This record gives sequence, C-alpha cells and structure tokens, in this order.
Amino acid sequence: QMTQSPSTLSATVGDRVTITCRASQSISNWLSWYQQKPGTAPKVLIYRASTLESGVPSRFSGSGSGTEFTLTISSLQPDDFATYYCLEYKNFSEWTFGQGTKVEMK
Amino acid sequence: QVRLVQSEAAVKTPGASVKISCTASGYNFRNYAIHWVRQAPGQRPEWMGWFMPAKGNAEFSRKFQGRVAITRDTFASTDHLEVFTLGSDDTAVYYCVRSRFVTFGGAAHWGQGTLVTVSS
Repeated sequence: QMTQSPSTLSATVGDRVTITCRASQSISNWLSWYQQKPGTAPKVLIYRASTLESGVPSRFSGSGSGTEFTLTISSLQPDDFATYYCLEYKNFSEWTFGQGTKVEMK
Repeated sequence: QVRLVQSEAAVKTPGASVKISCTASGYNFRNYAIHWVRQAPGQRPEWMGWFMPAKGNAEFSRKFQGRVAITRDTFASTDHLEVFTLGSDDTAVYYCVRSRFVTFGGAAHWGQGTLVTVSS
C-alpha cells in the first residue's frame, strides 16, 4: 500500500515543489517516481529512491528509504505541470503505484 | 534502445474479449520479463500481471486471476495480453512495461499504450 500526498498541488514557475509517498511497510529503497502528461505513458524520473534517470533534468531529486519518500522539483518549470506517481517494487512483481499528484498552475 | 510497440486501440462490447500485442526491440527479448499495467480514466496505474521467461509462464494479480492470459511468442519478440469477459470498468489504457533488469528494477520502459473502450 502506497499513500501519496498531496493529490493536487497548485504552484507557479520557480517554486520548490515536494511530493511525498509513504509505504505501509518498509520497502528499503525500492521506489521510483514517474511523470505523466495526458495521453502519454508515464516517464521514469527517479529509481532506487534517489537515482536520477539518464536525461532527466537535475532539478528533479528523490530521497528517503524504508517507508517515507520524497520527490522534489527545485525550481518548477513550465514543462513540469503534469501528474506524478510513485511506484514501489520491493517484490519482483505486484507493483503498487501511489494515487498520483497533479501539479497545476496556481 | 529499448522499444515496446503495442497494437492499436480497440472498441469492444460487454462480454467480449480483447487481445493486445506488445512487440519488443533493442534488447535480448527472451531473457526479460514483460509486465502489463492498465490505467482507467483519471486513475492510478494498476499492475495486472507479468510473463516470467525463466519459468515460461505468467503470474497475475489476484484481481485479474482467471480473467486474463499472457502469452509469449519468442520468435516474434512479442507478448500478448488477453482479457476475457469485458465489462465497462475494463475501459482503460493498457501498457506493456519492461523492468530495468532481467526480472527486477521497477517499470523502466513503457509501450505507448493501447486504449480499450468497452461500450454497448
């Protein structure tokens, strides 16, 4: 079970944005973060909780381990308005996604 | 690079079945698992099942057990997802996804998605 918050976040360009995912039991660092825009597949941003996927801008960062995880966007850019999901993959299968956070323009 | 190309969108009537294909390229297909994830409108993605090449069979989420099948055509580098007895709540985009490593590593590579609409 993954609990993600907030469900919606209103922000302006340049803001520092933080999204949190909480696991119901320890998942070590087996967590990834995704960005999804309408009509497209999710795109991986971060894996193993804090490793930046190749090609992803350095304004994205991830932290945490065990049960508490955070995705931070250091300075929100126009291209970052989207929905973000966390995914826990502690097991080989039975992936569990968070409920999603929609980052919208304030 | 890793590429997953899925079949086109489909419209089905309630009670029908749908079969979706996912053709892979850019890596050694026979070694890697492929997972299937679906996303209903406005909802989070939901894991359905996966094909395990080491065992040669598939495993499913309890929610979908008995109502879906996953098969592999190694020669065509293609996996298929079949969903039986469709209902309106099966309307969703269905994605095939490859994990980062052979059997582990989360959802690293995604197909473009296949929209299945169930409507009478």
